[in-house]
Amino acid sequence: SLELTQPPSVSVSPGQTASITCSGPGLGARYASWYQQKPGQSPVLVIYRDDKRPSGIPERFSGSSSGNTATLTISGTQAMDEADYYCQVWASSTYVFGAGTKVTVL
Amino acid sequence: EVQLVESGGTWVQPGRSLRLSCAASGFTFDDYAMHWVRQAPGKGLEWVSGINWNSASTAYADSVKGRFTSSRDNAKHSLSLQMNSLRPEDTALYYCAKDLAPTGEGGFDVWGQGTMVTVSS
Repeated sequence: SLELTQPPSVSVSPGQTASITCSGPGLGARYASWYQQKPGQSPVLVIYRDDKRPSGIPERFSGSSSGNTATLTISGTQAMDEADYYCQVWASSTYVFGAGTKVTVL
Repeated sequence: EVQLVESGGTWVQPGRSLRLSCAASGFTFDDYAMHWVRQAPGKGLEWVSGINWNSASTAYADSVKGRFTSSRDNAKHSLSLQMNSLRPEDTALYYCAKDLAPTGEGGFDVWGQGTMVTVSS
């Protein structure tokens, strides 16, 4: 089955840009979604269909996809963005999540 | 208010069965696919099962295929997960989630708070 690879952790200074990648074979042919999960809370959808932002999600969150890699970018990162981030794709009638990336705002 | 509320989680012995439920409100339930996602303690998210808007199509992760069954009652705005032959590795917080699309591929825009299932002797 499809496996998605994310970096375990990303560190970023407040106000800087954080980029989280998600790689997998054939990813470019599939839509990727991204979720933010803070400790003790349910996940929140921040990007869907590669680059669409749900209502209520700040503009500093953006998504892109090229080749076999999808990328979530947080511009002007704030302390409140510290969380785990998961990518997700739809593949062969099933969904697959990446292992998650812990974003630390130093 | 758009809301999903899971129930039914508890402690259960290996090999036993359990049924989880999810009550939906605040949106047109039968317009969307619905899913179950679980998260073992301290671990990442794992998609478990999905069912399309009219129950014509269901799908399962390999880890639960043949043991778990998803169903929905559009008239009652409810989603269920029947879990049989439970194993210790099924221990997790189980979330109900709404798809953006009726047949999947949309991403999950609404999540419940989860219900905890513990499988242990």
